[in-house]
Amino acid sequence: KAGVTQTPRYLIKTRGQQVTLSCSPISGHRSVSWYQQTPGQGLQFLFEYFSETQRNKGNFPGRFSGRQFSNSRSEMNVSTLELGDSALYLCASSLVRGENTDTQYFGPGTRLTVL
Amino acid sequence: QKEVEQDPGPLSVPEGAIVSLNCTYSNSAFQYFMWYRQYSRKGPELLMYTYSSGNKEDGRFTAQVDKSSKYISLFIRDSQPSDSATYLCAMIPYSGNTPLVFGKGTRLSVIA
Repeated sequence: KAGVTQTPRYLIKTRGQQVTLSCSPISGHRSVSWYQQTPGQGLQFLFEYFSETQRNKGNFPGRFSGRQFSNSRSEMNVSTLELGDSALYLCASSLVRGENTDTQYFGPGTRLTVL
Repeated sequence: QKEVEQDPGPLSVPEGAIVSLNCTYSNSAFQYFMWYRQYSRKGPELLMYTYSSGNKEDGRFTAQVDKSSKYISLFIRDSQPSDSATYLCAMIPYSGNTPLVFGKGTRLSVIA
């Protein structure tokens, strides 16, 4: 079974630009979560989508947004990039996020560098 | 105080050593506890998860939870160079619609 895939793997942007990252979950998984990982703050939750609906949102500014499509693929968008947005962006998928702690499977991440 | 504290290391041990990795937390509502392993340039992979207090063993790995002390541990027996990675603890207060809260990770190097 194919794992979680994220594209692109690496991205270099300049301040003020916007960026869109893509995540394809494991086949059959309906929940997709996004995390930002930096050396200083570690892994921080951005948002979670289930059946095209945002179910949770972390403490990030409105420049960070996301969506999920009917095939469970998800995108996240960061507008007006700032230097501090340089990070590894991780996507995780799980079968459901319901009654049990469902295992979250992470993708390899997209390394975003903002110059 | 951050909700989850984890010593970032780095921790360097010889091959075959027993490794102890730890996290402390402040939110007494946490009930589900997880350990993830992250190799360089890879995403985290789930190693173990436990519910509430107690021990759980899986091969060379043992996870311990002490809710009274708000302290969790991961032990690695007979450590191997392939165990060299960053280990992240994560926890949630209850199952369902709650995001994982991660520690910052401990970087482990096992020297052959």
